[in-house]
Amino acid sequence: DAGVTQSPTHLIKTRGQQVTLRCSPISGHKSVSWYQQVLGQGPQFIFQYYEKEERGRGNFPDRFSARQFPNYSSELNVNALLLGDSALYLCASTPPGTWNEQYFGPGTRLTVT
Amino acid sequence: AQSVSQHNHHVILSEAASLELGCNYSYGGTVNLFWYVQYPGQHLQLLLKYFSGDPLVKGIKGFEAEFIKSKFSFNLRKPSVQWSDTAEYFCAVIADYKLSFGAGTTVTVRA
Repeated sequence: DAGVTQSPTHLIKTRGQQVTLRCSPISGHKSVSWYQQVLGQGPQFIFQYYEKEERGRGNFPDRFSARQFPNYSSELNVNALLLGDSALYLCASTPPGTWNEQYFGPGTRLTVT
Repeated sequence: AQSVSQHNHHVILSEAASLELGCNYSYGGTVNLFWYVQYPGQHLQLLLKYFSGDPLVKGIKGFEAEFIKSKFSFNLRKPSVQWSDTAEYFCAVIADYKLSFGAGTTVTVRA
């Protein structure tokens, strides 16, 4: 079975630009979470979506937004990029019937110059 | 809000040595605890989890962890490491659907 997939793998953007990252959950998983992992630190929670509704939001500015589509895939958008947004962005999906297990994708490496 | 503290940033050891990584959490509710591993070039993988019951939990690849409620700890152990255990290890606690991770411990196993 395919795991969580994310695209693109790598991305280079300039300060002030906008970026969209994509995630497809494991088949049958209806919940998607987004995390930011800065080099040398653990992942930090950004958002969780379940059945297209935002269920939780971490301590990130409004420049960060996300949505979930009817097929349960998700997009993370970041506007007005800052150098500090350079990080690995991870997507995780949660199996139905559980709320506390998350399976991670390979991530998108975003570099802001 | 919950938080996780990992004691060691970088651990270097030889093959066949024993490994123990410390993890303390801060959370007032019922805890669900995890250890994740990130091998070089690979994505985060679940090593083991504790939800309830036996405080000694066994995971994949010979790892185990012990939940000690009185110490707010969830330490990871492996009796004899292999070169292939070289990776970054993250302790995490979940509350309100959010995983909170520690900063991670880089483990380097020398052959």
